[in-house]
Amino acid sequence: NAGVMQNPRHLVRRRGQEARLRCSPMKGHSHVYWYRQLPEEGLKFMVYLQKENIIDESGMPKERFSAEFPKEGPSILRIQQVVRGDSAAYFCASSPLGQGTYEQYFGPGTRLTVT
Amino acid sequence: GENVEQHPSTLSVQEGDSAVIKCTYSDSASNYFPWYKQELGKRPQLIIDIRSNVGEKKDQRIAVTLNKTAKHFSLHITETQPEDSAVYFCAAESGGGADGLTFGKGTHLIIQP
Repeated sequence: NAGVMQNPRHLVRRRGQEARLRCSPMKGHSHVYWYRQLPEEGLKFMVYLQKENIIDESGMPKERFSAEFPKEGPSILRIQQVVRGDSAAYFCASSPLGQGTYEQYFGPGTRLTVT
Repeated sequence: GENVEQHPSTLSVQEGDSAVIKCTYSDSASNYFPWYKQELGKRPQLIIDIRSNVGEKKDQRIAVTLNKTAKHFSLHITETQPEDSAVYFCAAESGGGADGLTFGKGTHLIIQP
């Protein structure tokens, strides 16, 4: 059973470009969470999605950031017009929930560098 | 919203000794408290968790205690080994299992040989 997959692992973008980060949850998991981690800091919740639904986006910046989890395919975190402050590691986690469990399992992360 | 404080930020212990990391939370509705271990450049890995209906949970050398009245929980690692060196994060979830986790800022645990 493959774990949570994220790609790319490393992404370099120039200021003003768009960044697309992908997350495939563990098999059987239908709940996806995105977190951002700045150097030497903890993880900050951004958004929680189920298939075709955004459940909670309270941690997402109001502008330039969007997320989706389509019926088919991976969840995508999209950052438009990136700025240097967007440089961070972005982790997604998946959870089976609905099966009476709370555990969130993390992917390897995407390290975004904005030059 | 939930706020999680974690102490200490750095903890150095001799190999074989015990390590204790403490966290407090603010939302009395929180009912799930996981601990994650993160090695440099790697993903956070769930090492143990506890739910609000339990006061203590143990898994080999790792234990977690929860005091709901005081709103704090702690991670205890006994007989520490070099491979325990990592950053440890506590977290809290208050949405009945349907919310994102609120993390502490992490504790860098250093095991001295």
